[in-house]
Amino acid sequence: YELTQPPSVSIFPGQTARITCSADGLPMENAFWYQQKPGQAPVLIIFKDNERPSGIPERFSGAGSGTTVTLTITGAEAEDEADYYCQSGDASGSFYVFGSGTKLTV
Amino acid sequence: QERLQESGPRLVNPSETLSLNCGVSGYPISSSHFWGWIRQPPGKGLEWIATISQNGATHDNPSLKSRVTMSVDTTTHQFSLSLKSVTAADTAVYYCARPVCIAGRCFFDLWGQGILVTVSS
Repeated sequence: YELTQPPSVSIFPGQTARITCSADGLPMENAFWYQQKPGQAPVLIIFKDNERPSGIPERFSGAGSGTTVTLTITGAEAEDEADYYCQSGDASGSFYVFGSGTKLTV
Repeated sequence: QERLQESGPRLVNPSETLSLNCGVSGYPISSSHFWGWIRQPPGKGLEWIATISQNGATHDNPSLKSRVTMSVDTTTHQFSLSLKSVTAADTAVYYCARPVCIAGRCFFDLWGQGILVTVSS
């Protein structure tokens, strides 16, 4: 079971970034997103459909349809430049898988 | 403030066992249903290693071929990872993390800062 993301996405500040995560043609029932800046641990930015943890800006949103989920950053800022990873797993917490990661350049 | 902190040897010889601890502070270790480990080889992506539940049941990534052992020590507020028979391919930053499951959807909401472990003689 693999989650495929585009290796890189480049946008100008103020534009909208869309990062996809595809599950080898299998339906994705749940997916979560993490942001990782150089030298830092990943930070959860989207969970449980389209909810954001406290402190995560509203410009981050998530959506899913069938076999693909998408992280959208509306009006991206320079500080959003980072690696982004999707994550899925089973319902019992006994299996987790991360996407291949996408480097966002703003 | 809730915090996780990894500790352990940063250099391990090939074929030996990698052992790491994760200290939990600002949060009762027995309050979480699960604890977990994730790793990231230099310049590469994230890989889930294993998760342990409150009853001690461990689930690990099949790609690690049963080399993983986890345990929780509530008296010292730590949980641990052991990975045996390591090779250079196990060189990575190792993160401890707290998995959370809500309505059958499980994710990691709290991470340690990570510790780089190098496998080399």
